[in-house]
Amino acid sequence: AQTVTQSQPEMSVQEAETVTLSCTYDTSESDYYLFWYKQPPSRQMILVIRQEAYKQQNATENRFSVNFQKAAKSFSLKISDSQLGDAAMYFCASRGIQGAQKLVFGQGTRLTINP
Amino acid sequence: GAVVSQHPSWVICKSGTSVKIECRSLDFQATTMFWYRQFPKQSLMLMATSNEGSKATYEQGVEKDKFLINHASLTLSTLTVTSAHPEDSSFYICSASGTGISGELFFGEGSRLTVL
Repeated sequence: AQTVTQSQPEMSVQEAETVTLSCTYDTSESDYYLFWYKQPPSRQMILVIRQEAYKQQNATENRFSVNFQKAAKSFSLKISDSQLGDAAMYFCASRGIQGAQKLVFGQGTRLTINP
Repeated sequence: GAVVSQHPSWVICKSGTSVKIECRSLDFQATTMFWYRQFPKQSLMLMATSNEGSKATYEQGVEKDKFLINHASLTLSTLTVTSAHPEDSSFYICSASGTGISGELFFGEGSRLTVL
């Protein structure tokens, strides 16, 4: 079984500043993926960043990076140089690697960017 | 690459009628597709998992007879909401995974269903 928990329903940050969104998870899988998805007002799900759990190195994608703490089962997202276009709902998710595993989402964090 | 198209993007229907939503993988073969439901300001809730050519696996609490899922080909899955009621009004999102695409699921644009 998998569970994903996002304890911050809402976050806000000043434009150009840095913000960190928190996520913890629990899984019985020995190997798995972790994701951050962005859902803007259009409601299209957009992949922000992906982390393979067997990799110790934290994933980075331009202004987005993660802090993956496997032992603590923590997977936070850091957004640097926040831009107005970053405003959206952000969902943390996990998925087992073996077979056709489902993607389990956290509750989501609504991020507001203040100009 | 890895585009998933969902149709219709929005639909309004009368109570008691059935509505079909299509989910297509345009440039890859989707061995598995997932159907999610999302209420306003909430997360995505998995309804069912469908594998091509076999019966869908429904999550606990999801009515199989109300939400019919068919995955007849490697590029198409359909969700039919039968005898729709106002409480079925929601945002439905499909996602797909294919062979050789590591881990990531690709999402359709979603379909907003309103039942009057």
